[in-house]
Amino acid sequence: IVLTQSPGTLSLSPGERATLSCRASQSVSSSYVVWYQHKPGQAPRLLIYGASSRATGVPDRFSGSGSGTAFTLTINRLEPEDSAVYYCQQYGGSPCSFGQGTKLEIK
Amino acid sequence: EVQLVESGGDLAQPGRSLRLSCSASGFNFDDYAMHWVRQPPGKGLEWVAGISWNSGSIGYADSVKGRFTISRDNAKNSLYLQMNSLRGEDTALYYCAKDGRLKLAATYFDQWGQGALVTVSS
Repeated sequence: IVLTQSPGTLSLSPGERATLSCRASQSVSSSYVVWYQHKPGQAPRLLIYGASSRATGVPDRFSGSGSGTAFTLTINRLEPEDSAVYYCQQYGGSPCSFGQGTKLEIK
Repeated sequence: EVQLVESGGDLAQPGRSLRLSCSASGFNFDDYAMHWVRQPPGKGLEWVAGISWNSGSIGYADSVKGRFTISRDNAKNSLYLQMNSLRGEDTALYYCAKDGRLKLAATYFDQWGQGALVTVSS
């Protein structure tokens, strides 16, 4: 299953809302879609699992939604520390696969 | 606190071998499947291999099948990746990652190490 993320880069200001898209080449159960945040020089961090459940310690500014072939990560009230690359991943099909990432820049 | 610490990354010539290790702490290692995920320079993430909690189930990406071998030693809380017949396209930061589901592997990753850099070049 090929995951395509858009946009490639998103540049927003603090306080704004970011909407990141992840589209799958075939339907994926929403239970098997996750999102990660990856900052340079750090380990990736699990944000969302089961398409919409926040991982431990993830602020409620982060939310996930979607079904079928279209999934979205929304980040409300952007903060400077949200600057990172965000990846979606599916594990409903084998092998699991990642999107190519969306780079979020906070102006 | 969960900690995953990779080691063994190095510069290797094409065709040679390297062995990566991952030392785990802060959780019941033998309750979880474990995985290796890599990131080539300037590119995205790619799942490489995974192993169930009891080593009974193992899987590989097509790109490494037949060349890489994943293994674990639950007594030592350690995960390994034996990489043979290395190619230039294997150059990447290799992450050790903990499966997000207890016992039955889910193949998503709720804890990651900092990574070990493998460079394949003559």
